Amino acid sequence: AQSVSQHNHHVILSEAASLELGCNYSYGGTVNLFWYVQYPGQHLQLLLKYFSGDPLVKGIKGFEAEFIKSKFSFNLRKPSVQWSDTAEYFCAVLPGTGANNLFFGTGTRLTVIP
Amino acid sequence: DAGVTQSPTHLIKTRGQQVTLRCSPKSGHDTVSWYQQALGQGPQFIFQYYEEEERQRGNFPDRFSGHQFPNYSSELNVNALLLGDSALYLCASSLRSSRNQPQHFGDGTRLSIL
Repeated sequence: AQSVSQHNHHVILSEAASLELGCNYSYGGTVNLFWYVQYPGQHLQLLLKYFSGDPLVKGIKGFEAEFIKSKFSFNLRKPSVQWSDTAEYFCAVLPGTGANNLFFGTGTRLTVIP
Repeated sequence: DAGVTQSPTHLIKTRGQQVTLRCSPKSGHDTVSWYQQALGQGPQFIFQYYEEEERQRGNFPDRFSGHQFPNYSSELNVNALLLGDSALYLCASSLRSSRNQPQHFGDGTRLSIL
């Protein structure tokens, strides 16, 4: 069965620190990959997505993610975080064929200290 | 352009009761998916509706059922509520013919079971 692992449950950073959140998935076929963010009291919003092509994907608000097929990973990065980045971050996988539903990781809570 | 809207925002029920949650998809979308997000967890896929039929289903019991109407809106029904059904229920919409487009999520309905 497909699964998505986010090993960092809670990350605390100071403003201007660099961020990297890990995401690994277990699925052998073609996948589409997503990072969603959930700000306090708000709905899930798409940060970025990977379908094909350049494995380095740039998203909104300065976020980027790199798809490494050999490692089944899709880590999220940001060079310099801001207090407003405090939120819950979810990695999600959409299998390339068959199922049309997202498989989510358990999420990583990011707290940025001013 | 309206996004995904869900109602109600919050709901309190007692064990054994039945509940109906509602979702209106983003304008132009024809597919609705429902997810359950328990506290501290990532969203888990319940089922997906397209053309008024359930097309895919996750690992949820038959107590969870749904419906899609001709205007693409959808309902999620849960019978014989259990304490473990307490969660945030998310609706996501998408366009069936555009598999490469991400799902858009509503704010969710927070269901509390006493």
